[in-house]
Amino acid sequence: KNQVEQSPQSLIILEGKNCTLQCNYTVSPFSNLRWYKQDTGRGPVSLTIMTFSENTKSNGRYTATLDADTKQSSLHITASQLSDSASYICVVSAAAAGNKLTFGGGTRVLVKP
Amino acid sequence: NAGVTQTPKFQVLKTGQSMTLQCAQDMNHNSMYWYRQDPGMGLRLIYYSASEGTTDKGEVPNGYNVSRLNKREFSLRLESAAPSQTSVYFCASRPNYNQPQHFGDGTRLSIL
Repeated sequence: KNQVEQSPQSLIILEGKNCTLQCNYTVSPFSNLRWYKQDTGRGPVSLTIMTFSENTKSNGRYTATLDADTKQSSLHITASQLSDSASYICVVSAAAAGNKLTFGGGTRVLVKP
Repeated sequence: NAGVTQTPKFQVLKTGQSMTLQCAQDMNHNSMYWYRQDPGMGLRLIYYSASEGTTDKGEVPNGYNVSRLNKREFSLRLESAAPSQTSVYFCASRPNYNQPQHFGDGTRLSIL
């Protein structure tokens, strides 16, 4: 069964500090992996997409990594800001008919001043 | 450019009542999706429409029906609401499988 596990479930960091979120998946065959940011009361918004051949991709202060061999991804937030407080969701797409998506449960990040 | 618009934003129903959640996108996307999001769980796919005129079941379709009215609109209907359907419902769309999904801001539904 395709699964996406995220850790930690939640974390609190001080403004200006860095943090790293983890995503482990068992989706097969693998097509791509996306990280979404979901602000409270809003729908998820795509941050990055990683394909099989990509190891690292950045979007401003967000850097995603992918290790397709170990089926792990991470999202690193640099110099956190209060606006980074949100849930971050890892979504893995299967390379099959319909590109079925499997969603992780998310990591809730709270940035404190 | 409104993106994906969901109505209503909040709704309270009694067990057994019916209602339709509306979703419209103005991005000319082919595919549209309905998800539910429950605390501690990932988004779960209820139904999707790969293109106008087609609909397919997702992971948790029981108790729901959908209609792809036209390319813009995709509605979700609860025929006889149950407390287990209390959730936040998200509609999403995307132009093709290689592009990210664009989500609405959700409908918060409580069933008493």
